[in-house]
Amino acid sequence: SQQGEEDPQALSIQEGENATMNCSYKTSINNLQWYRQNSGRGLVHLILIRSNEREKHSGRLRVTLDTSKKSSSLLITASRAADTASYFCATDETSGSRLTFGEGTQLTVNP
Amino acid sequence: KAGVTQTPRYLIKTRGQQVTLSCSPISGHRSVSWYQQTPGQGLQFLFEYFSETQRNKGNFPGRFSGRQFSNSRSEMNVSTLELGDSALYLCASSTGLVPYEQYFGPGTRLTVT
Repeated sequence: SQQGEEDPQALSIQEGENATMNCSYKTSINNLQWYRQNSGRGLVHLILIRSNEREKHSGRLRVTLDTSKKSSSLLITASRAADTASYFCATDETSGSRLTFGEGTQLTVNP
Repeated sequence: KAGVTQTPRYLIKTRGQQVTLSCSPISGHRSVSWYQQTPGQGLQFLFEYFSETQRNKGNFPGRFSGRQFSNSRSEMNVSTLELGDSALYLCASSTGLVPYEQYFGPGTRLTVT
């Protein structure tokens, strides 16, 4: 079963705009990771944020984590058509190494 | 560093047959995890192998099994295939240590007819 829920399920924006995706989870976690998947292909690791961190940046990506609300957000700034993909959050629970994925957000960036 | 490789990339099998999928992790990584992705169930964890031992297991029937070799390469086997086993099977490589950052292969697309 999926631990996380992502919001929105689908997002369509214009190139140059910012895209924000949210993820909620249910249990205590060690870390939260974000992945990108282009249509039916493997997942690409984007960023990992530890449970004791509140915000992390990587290039055009900004991730926040609120463990009190059990939620995270991924912001992509100045989006490009190449950012069109599905984005997943994944958590690893304090008990082990298995990742539990959210349902994903389908992002479409229109040129 | 070479990435995670999976073979074969595409596979078509008939109900009742069995299938073996292979995954070669990133050099130096000792953990391999397997995931099943379907439109209905999303990404679901199958199992993880670390240093040739199964360390974690998801909620899949016993028809799904795996193993890991001394060079960290892993295989996943599905016996008595069912139509519902049609999916993208993804393998992920990691050091096996916290923070469990995982790197995925391109996947094997299995179609059961």
